Amino acid sequence: EVQLVESGGGLLQPGRSLRLSCEASGFTFGDNAMHWVRQRPGGGLDWVSGISWDGSKTGYGDSVKGRSTISRDNAKNSLFLQMDSLRPEDTALYYCVRGQGTVLVSWGQGIMVIVSS
Amino acid sequence: IQLTQSPSFLSAYVGDTVTLTCRASQGIGYYLAWYQQKPGKAPKLVFDAASPLQSGVPSRFSGSGSGTEFTLTITSLQPEDFASYYCQQHSIYPITFGPGTKVEIK
Repeated sequence: EVQLVESGGGLLQPGRSLRLSCEASGFTFGDNAMHWVRQRPGGGLDWVSGISWDGSKTGYGDSVKGRSTISRDNAKNSLFLQMDSLRPEDTALYYCVRGQGTVLVSWGQGIMVIVSS
Repeated sequence: IQLTQSPSFLSAYVGDTVTLTCRASQGIGYYLAWYQQKPGKAPKLVFDAASPLQSGVPSRFSGSGSGTEFTLTITSLQPEDFASYYCQQHSIYPITFGPGTKVEIK
């Protein structure tokens, strides 16, 4: 069974940095692209970032580009998202997602991030 | 690439057949997927136009379209199908989603 468990969320002040982690199991992590998708309270889905199976290619959504870095450690079946200069509008539930390329096939339960002073 | 979905809200009876529409601001070939999300739950992939056969998805879910216009049809709605549905283009980065269609029980 595919399991994706996010961690690292919580209450953070504007301007601070965030590092989310996702521990994957139940599939061959190194064979899959991985993504972060977020959902603001009561809102729709917003793709944050994606990374290829080997980490050689990355992409970012317009709202986080330039202040976020996605990375992975295939030896530890782990995905990461570093986001700097946090804003109140970054408040959202952040999902770790397994991709078949850019199709989002398996989703974690999400981790809440609240940006507030 | 901007995606629009219609309708935003749909009210239907169990047993009805409904069609949801997603339009892209430019051609995306067949690179359009649909996700179902129930309240408090993570989204779930229900259809990908580029790879129509998804394991574990009931056959009452079907999709069509290419280029800029796509549809998701749910035949004979079941109680568990009442949810929000989002389309997603995966043709080029950045990946984008439509604003969603909420399907509610009449």
